[in-house]
Amino acid sequence: DTAVSQTPKYLVTQMGNDKSIKCEQNLGHDTMYWYKQDSKKFLKIMFSYNNKELIINETVPNRFSPKSPDKAHLNLHINSLELGDSAVYFCASRSQSHNEQFFGPGTRLTVL
Amino acid sequence: GENVEQHPSTLSVQEGDSAVIKCTYSDSASNYFPWYKQELGKRPQLIIDIRSNVGEKKDQRIAVTLNKTAKHFSLHITETQPEDSAVYFCAASKGSARQLTFGSGTQLTVLP
Repeated sequence: DTAVSQTPKYLVTQMGNDKSIKCEQNLGHDTMYWYKQDSKKFLKIMFSYNNKELIINETVPNRFSPKSPDKAHLNLHINSLELGDSAVYFCASRSQSHNEQFFGPGTRLTVL
Repeated sequence: GENVEQHPSTLSVQEGDSAVIKCTYSDSASNYFPWYKQELGKRPQLIIDIRSNVGEKKDQRIAVTLNKTAKHFSLHITETQPEDSAVYFCAASKGSARQLTFGSGTQLTVLP
């Protein structure tokens, strides 16, 4: 009965590779998000997406792209991975009629 | 864009004492202010939130106050317990997308 789930939980890869992180929510929410938490614990918004609008934080490199096959999923694709991409990535979701965002368990990405 | 500053970065209190964490925000259009608790290796979880049309909100041992004029808001935890030990994040958001801009976090340690 997990509300927001992410796979994989851990991802270790080499520089230059392309990888994806999957996110699914079973809450019937309209809006989904991706956040990045770096090694100093800073949490930063990357994207928000509902079926009408994608908002991209201006600091996010275009190597990162969200893809939503349906309302319940928002996957994160990362091309040409760099060392600085190492972080924990959190997916979150929200109903448009409420403010609270529910976070997934996070994916720890390590780029070697 | 929005900028949220949070203080202190670390806070140690004795069990049973109160803890106060303070945040300031820069964008006067922000109108929703949640507080998240993140335990080590876990996802951020909402503990309390406040909207800009309210000055104070309380939920058992936790309270949040908001001063819109000064653009600051605070988290108050009374009768602290060891299980309150975690990193606490304040955040601000506005608009329909509700992207969260987080503060830098406060590591709260409650000493038994």
